Amino acid sequence: SQQGEEDPQALSIQEGENATMNCSYKTSINNLQWYRQNSGRGLVHLILIRSNEREKHSGRLRVTLDTSKKSSSLLITASRAADTASYFCATLQRGSNYKLTFGKGTLLTVNP
Amino acid sequence: GAGVSQSPSNKVTEKGKDVELRCDPISGHTALYWYRQSLGQGLEFLIYFQGNSAPDKSGLPSDRFSAERTGGSVSTLTIQRTQQEDSAVYLCASSLSLAGLDTQYFGPGTRLTVL
Repeated sequence: SQQGEEDPQALSIQEGENATMNCSYKTSINNLQWYRQNSGRGLVHLILIRSNEREKHSGRLRVTLDTSKKSSSLLITASRAADTASYFCATLQRGSNYKLTFGKGTLLTVNP
Repeated sequence: GAGVSQSPSNKVTEKGKDVELRCDPISGHTALYWYRQSLGQGLEFLIYFQGNSAPDKSGLPSDRFSAERTGGSVSTLTIQRTQQEDSAVYLCASSLSLAGLDTQYFGPGTRLTVL
């Protein structure tokens, strides 16, 4: 099974609303990363949160990490139509220093 | 500067043919990764190169898949005797150093369709 599982699988909101996506994982991690993918092509790295961090911000993005629950959330505030994309979480498992394990992603649609 | 580039962007081939996919990493990046993404799925790790070390091939799905990295830069992923289940987007990424603590920068991918 996937190490990272995003939920929901798909999310549709109106421009200006906030979007929250969740990721759960099974094993201990070194860090957790969120990526964005447009139109099924290249991924863009959004944010990395280390296992000893609980929250990180980058612009309109806010990521939280709860290692006791093995879960993370990505919040996009004041969404824009251009935020429409698939969002993936990826975990770097403890004991590995390069092999990321990706979930299946959340497809976010922001309607103008 | 230039990002990760991949070629071709699209490849349509017949079942049983061999294909070669190319990746040009960001200059100076010592780590290079290949992933496969099937329709509607997340990324599946295939292989990892780091400098002159032996690559981690643990993600290659069968012995029809192989990859090399020449001169520590350009990498080629070869799929022999392609099958329809090989149809996917093949993504290459590079990072500055060994650690997964570094950001991986992805190329645009090669969409492979096996008829």
